[in-house]
Amino acid sequence: DVKVTQSSRYLVKRTGEKVFLECVQDMDHENMFWYRQDPGLGLRLIYFSYDVKMKEKGDIPEGYSVSREKKERFSLILESASTNQTSMYLCASSRGLAELTGELFFGEGSRLTVL
Amino acid sequence: KNEVEQSPQNLTAQEGEFITINCSYSVGISALHWLQQHPGGGIVSLFMLSSGKKKHGRLIATINIQEKHSSLHITASHPRDSAVYICAVLAGNEKLTFGTGTRLTIIP
Repeated sequence: DVKVTQSSRYLVKRTGEKVFLECVQDMDHENMFWYRQDPGLGLRLIYFSYDVKMKEKGDIPEGYSVSREKKERFSLILESASTNQTSMYLCASSRGLAELTGELFFGEGSRLTVL
Repeated sequence: KNEVEQSPQNLTAQEGEFITINCSYSVGISALHWLQQHPGGGIVSLFMLSSGKKKHGRLIATINIQEKHSSLHITASHPRDSAVYICAVLAGNEKLTFGTGTRLTIIP
């Protein structure tokens, strides 16, 4: 059974803290994505990666960075968390070129609250 | 930028009813995804289509490229179908643009 696993389902952090959200996939997919989901808005792309050590900015990269040292792992980093980063964060992966070629596989999501 | 509109935003129906959820978009696309999100957050891909119609069990997705419109149908709806259904479109080499979702509640 294919799987995308996000390390934490729920996190509560304080303003200014550094936050790491981890995502691991076991499907040998080239592409991995980080989205955030907020009420009334569609999913918005933060960063994506087509290969190890490669990263591309999505629509809303400000305040975030990412790391992809191994093919199966894609980490989202909030260097200094702020209250407007309170959100649901979703990781996804897919095979092939970007999101063009087929099915997206999502993790269960990480709900982050920044106090 | 592609605009994606879903309707209705919320839908409540009785078990067994035929369900239709609509998705309209503003510019030409290469593919359209239908996704299902259950309470708790996990998202499952239901369909990806670029033309015509696809069927999987009680779910049917159709797309009309000329009218820039897609529908997701559920036959013989069941309470376990209760979820948020999300449409997402891909235009050229752009990234996916997501709709805000349709919240479906099926009452036993």
